[in-house]
Amino acid sequence: EDQVTQSPEALRLQEGESSSLNCSYTVSGLRGLFWYRQDPGKGPEFLFTLYSAGEEKEKERLKATLTKKESFLHITAPKPEDSATYLCAVQARTGGFKTIFGAGTRLFVKA
Amino acid sequence: DSGVTQTPKHLITATGQRVTLRCSPRSGDLSVYWYQQSLDQGLQFLIQYYNGEERAKGNILERFSAQQFPDLHSELNLSSLELGDSALYFCASSVAPGTNTGELFFGEGSRLTVL
Repeated sequence: EDQVTQSPEALRLQEGESSSLNCSYTVSGLRGLFWYRQDPGKGPEFLFTLYSAGEEKEKERLKATLTKKESFLHITAPKPEDSATYLCAVQARTGGFKTIFGAGTRLFVKA
Repeated sequence: DSGVTQTPKHLITATGQRVTLRCSPRSGDLSVYWYQQSLDQGLQFLIQYYNGEERAKGNILERFSAQQFPDLHSELNLSSLELGDSALYFCASSVAPGTNTGELFFGEGSRLTVL
């Protein structure tokens, strides 16, 4: 069964303190791994898609990387406005292209 | 604004009742997904439609049903409601499975409270 596990559940950082979020996955044939950001009471907002091991994507202070078993979301010098829940999701090549989400990491950045 | 519209935004009802949630996808998107998000479960995939046909099914209860209409809007019907059905229900759309980068565009959600 396709599965996504994210750690830690919550992460508290000081402004400027860099860190990484982890996403471990098992899927029968990975079509894509996705990172989303979700603010309280809002729908998830797409950040990145990664397709194959070794791939990296960057956007402002965020950088996503992918291996055969896990993905990392690196946050460099975070700001308070980066506080949100970050969701990892995978889409398999089979099963109708359903997208399975992890439980998320709640990030709090203090000024 | 993602371009995905969900109504109603909030809904309060009683156990045993039936409700319908509505979703209009982004212009041009053919695929619609429904997710349930509760505090202890995260985002749970319910069902996916593509151009009016069911494409994939997740952990959707038999009391729940959905459909996608010819104009591509979708409805999620929840019946015999229980307290545990209280959650945020999200609709998401994408262009078409297999033809884009796979990202989903989410609506703002419908918050259902069952009393």
